[in-house]
Amino acid sequence: GAVVSQHPSRVICKSGTSVKIECRSLDFQATTMFWYRQFPKKSLMLMATSNEGSKATYEQGVEKDKFLINHASLTLSTLTVTSAHPEDSSFYICSASLGRAIDTQYFGPGTRLTVL
Amino acid sequence: DAKTTQPNSMESNEEEPVHLPCNHSTISGTDYIHWYRQLPSQGPEYVIHGLTSNVNNRMASLAIAEDRKSSTLILHRATLRDAAVYYCILSPSGTASKLTFGTGTRLQVTL
Repeated sequence: GAVVSQHPSRVICKSGTSVKIECRSLDFQATTMFWYRQFPKKSLMLMATSNEGSKATYEQGVEKDKFLINHASLTLSTLTVTSAHPEDSSFYICSASLGRAIDTQYFGPGTRLTVL
Repeated sequence: DAKTTQPNSMESNEEEPVHLPCNHSTISGTDYIHWYRQLPSQGPEYVIHGLTSNVNNRMASLAIAEDRKSSTLILHRATLRDAAVYYCILSPSGTASKLTFGTGTRLQVTL
């Protein structure tokens, strides 16, 4: 099946710093990538949808200036958490879609962010 | 988005079949039924999807009610590695449809 990687798998940063998370589709070209956030014992919440070469579409309540998404190529999307605060600590998961009519999303392994 | 209802948790013995139910009484004609699962500390994993007919793949079977208001994911022989949260999600056909995750069913598998 299609493989999606994320880097880093785990990151700890100080409050006020920015953190970049990469999401790569390793063996396919992803027309669309999605970014989710998951708090402990909770379900995944979609943050934004990203199409290659265009601006991301953010879900209601997600600050686009705080969570910067770039989808510069068909195999790479990045999420940058700017001026991170402890409440941004979460499990961030990306997924990628082949863009076919009946879509399956292929998920990355997730990035655990801890903001001190 | 049409909503799904799943039991919070289920238990199964290893090597026995598991039937995970999902109710989706407000499903529309163009909604596909998708199942994903999430193992602990990992990203979700696609399991199966269907529209009207029952579906089988190497991981599971999907039984869809005739009125499409409910479906059942069937794991034919549960193993310890099947312990996960299973999500039943409706998504309209079309490219790059969003997935809205509910709370899912936490499946425990015991020896």
